[in-house]
Amino acid sequence: QKEVEQNSGPLSVPEGAIASLNCTYSDRGSQSFFWYRQYSGKSPELIMFIYSNGDKEDGRFTAQLNKASQYVSLLIRDSQPSDSATYLCAVVGSNTGKLIFGQGTTLQVKP
Amino acid sequence: GAVVSQHPSWVICKSGTSVKIECRSLDFQATTMFWYRQFPKQSLMLMATSNEGSKATYEQGVEKDKFLINHASLTLSTLTVTSAHPEDSSFYICSARGATTGSYEQYFGPGTRLTVT
Repeated sequence: QKEVEQNSGPLSVPEGAIASLNCTYSDRGSQSFFWYRQYSGKSPELIMFIYSNGDKEDGRFTAQLNKASQYVSLLIRDSQPSDSATYLCAVVGSNTGKLIFGQGTTLQVKP
Repeated sequence: GAVVSQHPSWVICKSGTSVKIECRSLDFQATTMFWYRQFPKQSLMLMATSNEGSKATYEQGVEKDKFLINHASLTLSTLTVTSAHPEDSSFYICSARGATTGSYEQYFGPGTRLTVT
């Protein structure tokens, strides 16, 4: 089992729809979770972090965390073509303190 | 806030030469810096972790004598690829974490694309 798992996609949604990106992790002791966006040929950009169970909203983005289920998700409302990118889920390892990245989900928002 | 810069953004060098890449945290003090490598269509691969003033910790399989890391100050880390070969061609990205940016928040530089001919 991979430490951080994401569906590689591509996930295709129409413009204006809600995009739902999911991530599961294996380290039950992890406490810090991050979502990064990476455009093709560019470096990752931090868009959300969440530490507590529940929802955290920032503009069109909502991160959801369920530690009991070891599941973290990112919702993007009113998706725009400019949101088309690879979204990386990252979890801080409880033993190492290092970020562990998933393989990323490619999102395509079609006009 | 939390801006990380890298220089150069791209570099082409001949096989056998060495290349130095700089990573700077511009608006915060980076207690820890990380170096990653990313090949096309693949995820990030952590190469090493460095704390200011101490030796870098390398991930398994990464040659410490080939990839020299120096974290001389709280705002600067350098990666030197020694005796570069074509298989070292990749996208090298640094990231920084500091007390002022949150417990584990990590911000990435724009990356350096290295091509070895």
